Amino acid sequence: NAGVTQTPKFQVLKTGQSMTLQCAQDMNHEYMSWYRQDPGMGLRLIHYSVGAGITDQGEVPNGYNVSRSTTEDFPLRLLSAAPSQTSVYFCASSFRQGWDSPLHFGNGTRLTVT
Amino acid sequence: TQLLEQSPQFLSIQEGENLTVYCNSSSVFSSLQWYRQEPGEGPVLLVTVVTGGEVKKLKRLTFQFGDARKDSSLHITAAQPGDTGLYLCVIQAGTALIFGKGTTLSVSS
Repeated sequence: NAGVTQTPKFQVLKTGQSMTLQCAQDMNHEYMSWYRQDPGMGLRLIHYSVGAGITDQGEVPNGYNVSRSTTEDFPLRLLSAAPSQTSVYFCASSFRQGWDSPLHFGNGTRLTVT
Repeated sequence: TQLLEQSPQFLSIQEGENLTVYCNSSSVFSSLQWYRQEPGEGPVLLVTVVTGGEVKKLKRLTFQFGDARKDSSLHITAAQPGDTGLYLCVIQAGTALIFGKGTTLSVSS
């Protein structure tokens, strides 16, 4: 089983450039989410979706957009990259939003903005 | 804002040693999860504890939920290099998940 697949694994951007981080899951999960992981800060929620066509903001949404046109895909768009967005980004999914539905994480995208 | 504190932040031990890492909150929480994140990978769920005083075992890992439901511990017996990674505790606050900053464990042979 593929689980949660994130692409690319690594990316270097220049300030002001835009890009899309891809996330796909093949488990028919309704809930999908994006986190960023920074040293000393832990995992912080950027955006999440409880189903196709529904998205909402997390703790740190500024500078990022998401859409959920299908159950399988949940891309994260950086509109105008800034050095503060240098981080490791994780996509996670679960059967539904809730404590009894554990998160399945991808292996991350390491983004550097110069 | 509910804070989740994990200690120690870093731990470096030799193969065969025992260790305990801790997760503490200023507030009571209904349940708690532990995840392990290996280098270059995403976190993977180890266990969910829901009852005060609950103890769960997963091979050499023992998880305990405090009686007052404000703390949890993870004890590893006879650590192995394969235990190396970042251990994260997670609680649910409303619809959001709150992640601790983690304990980075390094086990050398």
